[in-house]
Amino acid sequence: EAQVTQNPRYLITVTGKKLTVTCSQNMNHEYMSWYRQDPGLGLRQIYYSMNVEVTDKGDVPEGYKVSRKEKRNFPLILESPSPNQTSLYFCASRDPTSGAPAQYFGPGTRLTVL
Amino acid sequence: GENVEQHPSTLSVQEGDSAVIKCTYSDSASNYFPWYKQELGKRPQLIIDIRSNVGEKKDQRIAVTLNKTAKHFSLHITETQPEDSAVYFCAASEGKWNSGYALNFGKGTSLLVTP
Repeated sequence: EAQVTQNPRYLITVTGKKLTVTCSQNMNHEYMSWYRQDPGLGLRQIYYSMNVEVTDKGDVPEGYKVSRKEKRNFPLILESPSPNQTSLYFCASRDPTSGAPAQYFGPGTRLTVL
Repeated sequence: GENVEQHPSTLSVQEGDSAVIKCTYSDSASNYFPWYKQELGKRPQLIIDIRSNVGEKKDQRIAVTLNKTAKHFSLHITETQPEDSAVYFCAASEGKWNSGYALNFGKGTSLLVTP
């Protein structure tokens, strides 16, 4: 089954404690991205990756890092989380130049930073 | 980058009525326009999409229309049902390779269908 997976689904942590949210897709998509969703602000892109070892900032990259060492995985790293990073996070993947450019989202990670 | 505006932000209709959500975009090079439905606590799911070389696309009770000249596209849901209640997002794909053909999303429309 074609899917995007994320872990963990829920996370409560404290300010300053480094964390990683994993993301994996099995559709061989080149393009992967991370979004955060906050009430009234919609989906805002944090980082994206066009292929292995190619990453770039989205609209709200401050406080986040990513890496793309393998095509299927795209982890999101918060080196020193702060309360304003409390949000719902979605990983997504797509193949924008194919005949089927649809974007698929992971199930989401609800992060609370105390 | 691309700016996508979506209206209305909330929409309440009676079961059986039609619902229309409208989006405008700014980048004339945008070439792909998906619509997503997000139920409470779940991920956004693609419900319909349209490419820039097509003016209209229909799938059962939902349809999308695209006006490239005016740079706007709309989602039409006919014969609405309570299970259509959700947040709907439009998006437009930048037509640029160096941005990875980024998808820019509208802020969403919360649709409530009352029995």
